[in-house]
Amino acid sequence: ETGVTQTPRHLVMGMTNKKSLKCEQHLGHNAMYWYKQSAKKPLELMFVYSLEERVENNSVPSRFSPECPNSSHLFLHLHTLQPEDSALYLCASSQDLAGLSSYNEQFFGPGTRLTVL
Amino acid sequence: QKEVEQDPGPLSVPEGAIVSLNCTYSNSAFQYFMWYRQYSRKGPELLMYTYSSGNKEDGRFTAQVDKSSKYISLFIRDSQPSDSATYLCAMRLSGYSTLTFGKGTMLLVSP
Repeated sequence: ETGVTQTPRHLVMGMTNKKSLKCEQHLGHNAMYWYKQSAKKPLELMFVYSLEERVENNSVPSRFSPECPNSSHLFLHLHTLQPEDSALYLCASSQDLAGLSSYNEQFFGPGTRLTVL
Repeated sequence: QKEVEQDPGPLSVPEGAIVSLNCTYSNSAFQYFMWYRQYSRKGPELLMYTYSSGNKEDGRFTAQVDKSSKYISLFIRDSQPSDSATYLCAMRLSGYSTLTFGKGTMLLVSP
């Protein structure tokens, strides 16, 4: 496997289910991100981890719970979701968090297409 | 006013055309500007990035940043059907990892 992988690629769940999305990066990066991409809306940053520590949480509802057990893996645990949570969930990684004078490319995975019924 | 404005399209052009994609933004503190390409059922991939104002060219792609007008552009020369995708502009402040994205413009290049 190369780059950033995400599983599952598609997920359909009921509002009372609990499920988890998995992301793995094979790039040796130290920072990982969860984004939400909804139709006709810009990508929204949800969470940022650096060296397994959460450094940013953008007012995301508590029904989304991230976990970063090591610098290669990132999970998004889902419970009691709403239909408006249906979207493409993208994981990304970068070498480090952006510094003052450095560019720090984020590499994206293919996403998990989530449908909440 | 939204932070980043981008026309969603779709923009339909014939093969070989010159394509111009644009974004405007409101935060004059943005310093890093990026263009991502996203094919259907795939994640975004970085195409071009520029720091501050100016032009950058890479093959058939040219990125321009005009900070005085808060306007960025991506030009695609000799467009190909394989260029059909959604193009997302993104930008960030110096020292911050958070990217602010536009909604994306869908480009369709017909043979």
